[in-house]
Amino acid sequence: GAVVSQHPSWVICKSGTSVKIECRSLDFQATTMFWYRQFPKQSLMLMATSNEGSKATYEQGVEKDKFLINHASLTLSTLTVTSAHPEDSSFYICSARDVSQVLGYNSPLHFGNGTRLTVT
Amino acid sequence: GEDVEQSLFLSVREGDSSVINCTYTDSSSTYLYWYKQEPGAGLQLLTYIFSNMDMKQDQRLTVLLNKKDKHLSLRIADTQTGDSAIYFCAESMGYGGATNKLIFGTGTLLAVQP
Repeated sequence: GAVVSQHPSWVICKSGTSVKIECRSLDFQATTMFWYRQFPKQSLMLMATSNEGSKATYEQGVEKDKFLINHASLTLSTLTVTSAHPEDSSFYICSARDVSQVLGYNSPLHFGNGTRLTVT
Repeated sequence: GEDVEQSLFLSVREGDSSVINCTYTDSSSTYLYWYKQEPGAGLQLLTYIFSNMDMKQDQRLTVLLNKKDKHLSLRIADTQTGDSAIYFCAESMGYGGATNKLIFGTGTLLAVQP
């Protein structure tokens, strides 16, 4: 159980275009999802917390107009990288927890397989 | 700060035990987690430990927690080549509720030599 699906796995786009990444919880509902970014050989940095039905909460230093997050349903959150530039090239990973489990809000996060974004 | 530190690299021979260490900062963290990341993939949850526990064993994995020193370790017994990956520890931070977030360590690359 607690499967998180992320799509696409990889995308190459031209500078100036926008890219949408989808994150779905397949077998549980998630009112909150978390978007991380990972640079090569580095750790995961939390970008934002996606909240179903309300605005996302962005971490310090993350441009909310650049990284648009929409959490339209209890099983889907999307991250749109707007007007992408080469410096946005990175590995983006989403995650969610199944709070219906015994640990509730302390349940571990389950991760999607990530999206490799390359901006040329 | 929210720094979670790990050693960057560990090399072991197949069949030996591996010990990956982590130091965290928030003494109020309720749960601490270990994740595994294979190349080009997302993170796979390995195990977790509640902060009032000292040790947890799960098959080949043993987690030790020294809360006084804010030190966490993951021991992998009988390490196999398939265990080669990056291992992240993570601490839970937040005020409870849905926004509890995980802060990840710097990651340890485990290389298992055949």
